[in-house]
Amino acid sequence: DTAVSQTPKYLVTQMGNDKSIKCEQNLGHDTMYWYKQDSKKFLKIMFSYNNKELIINETVPNRFSPKSPDKAHLNLHINSLELGDSAVYFCASSQGGTNTGELFFGEGSRLTVL
Amino acid sequence: GDSVTQMEGPVTLSEEAFLTINCTYTATGYPSLFWYVQYPGEGLQLLLKATKADDKGSNKGFEATYRKETTSFHLEKGSVQVSDSAVYFCALSGKGQGAQKLVFGQGTRLTINP
Repeated sequence: DTAVSQTPKYLVTQMGNDKSIKCEQNLGHDTMYWYKQDSKKFLKIMFSYNNKELIINETVPNRFSPKSPDKAHLNLHINSLELGDSAVYFCASSQGGTNTGELFFGEGSRLTVL
Repeated sequence: GDSVTQMEGPVTLSEEAFLTINCTYTATGYPSLFWYVQYPGEGLQLLLKATKADDKGSNKGFEATYRKETTSFHLEKGSVQVSDSAVYFCALSGKGQGAQKLVFGQGTRLTINP
């Protein structure tokens, strides 16, 4: 059983399109995250949700809209895709805050914008 | 804001060599510190952690000691193996509002040659 699963794993699309990435965790965690990893492997948090409530929004353009229908799911919708959105997007989950707890990551979704 | 700085990679070593990857941090108060590892094509996995000063985290032969006086959390291993080839990320989680996310360093790519 995969603890944190993301779909799709690969996504190739044209500039200007709208796309979504889905994430599900079966660990019973109450907090979920989206991180963006750029071509230099630098990881930066985008969003964090706790029990379906938005906790962190790190100055991400409003073309990015997360949605958490329940605490086991956190989806990421991106409107009007730009070349700079090309990256690997990682979903993660944890129980409570990150101070003592471990983040469990999905395998990533590689988005390529042409 | 909180930040993490790691030594620049890539690092290439021969099997059985001694490994050190430097990590220093800037944070308010006393954060929790982590090392995560990313194997090719996979998401990040927690390698080890330390939640207070002078704590030593260890796992799979890797060790790191939380040094408050030098604000450092260097990763070490006495004898590396080819299977240790991966990207290593140092990270911190602050207190209060900062306990809601991990802040990552830029990652250090490690390659071990047989």
